[in-house]
Amino acid sequence: QQQVKQSPQSLIVQKGGISIINCAYENTAFDYFPWYQQFPGKGPALLIAIRPDVSEKKEGRFTISFNKSAKQFSLHIMDSQPGDSATYFCAASPRGGATNKLIFGTGTLLAVQP
Amino acid sequence: NAGVTQTPKFRILKIGQSMTLQCTQDMNHNYMYWYRQDPGMGLKLIYYSVGAGITDKGEVPNGYNVSRSTTEDFPLRLELAAPSQTSVYFCASGVTGELFFGEGSRLTVL
Repeated sequence: QQQVKQSPQSLIVQKGGISIINCAYENTAFDYFPWYQQFPGKGPALLIAIRPDVSEKKEGRFTISFNKSAKQFSLHIMDSQPGDSATYFCAASPRGGATNKLIFGTGTLLAVQP
Repeated sequence: NAGVTQTPKFRILKIGQSMTLQCTQDMNHNYMYWYRQDPGMGLKLIYYSVGAGITDKGEVPNGYNVSRSTTEDFPLRLELAAPSQTSVYFCASGVTGELFFGEGSRLTVL
């Protein structure tokens, strides 16, 4: 069964610091890697996404780094703010997966302390 | 736009009871999904649909059923509820590359 492994399970960062969340996948049949952000009591929402033909994508304070050979990708949150406190999920979509059947990691609970 | 709307938000069931979680979307998406979220387990796909009249199993379909008679609606049916079905259920719809989630339905089976 295809899996996406995510770490750490929880993370505490001081305001202004860098939050780093890592994910790894087990086979090369994925071609789309989104990150979702979930606030308590809400559904997940797309934050940022990358395809394997690029090594990095940046949107504001959020950056995805992608290492195709290592089958790893990570989310970096620069200048972390208390409002970034949420659960973050990485995900992967199988190649040719026109149905968008995302496979999610187990999530990282981020707490940014003021 | 309401996006994806789920009802009910909370429900307590007794073992063996049945119920339907409702999901409707107003974005005219062909693809719709049901996920369940359990602590430390991420989101697991229960069923999905690529259009009206077409549904298929996801990773954890046992104990659930779905139907898709219209583009807008994708109800999830729980038959003979079991404690293992205690979870938060999310409905989602999407286009290539992005899923839009509802706010979830928290179900407890006692």
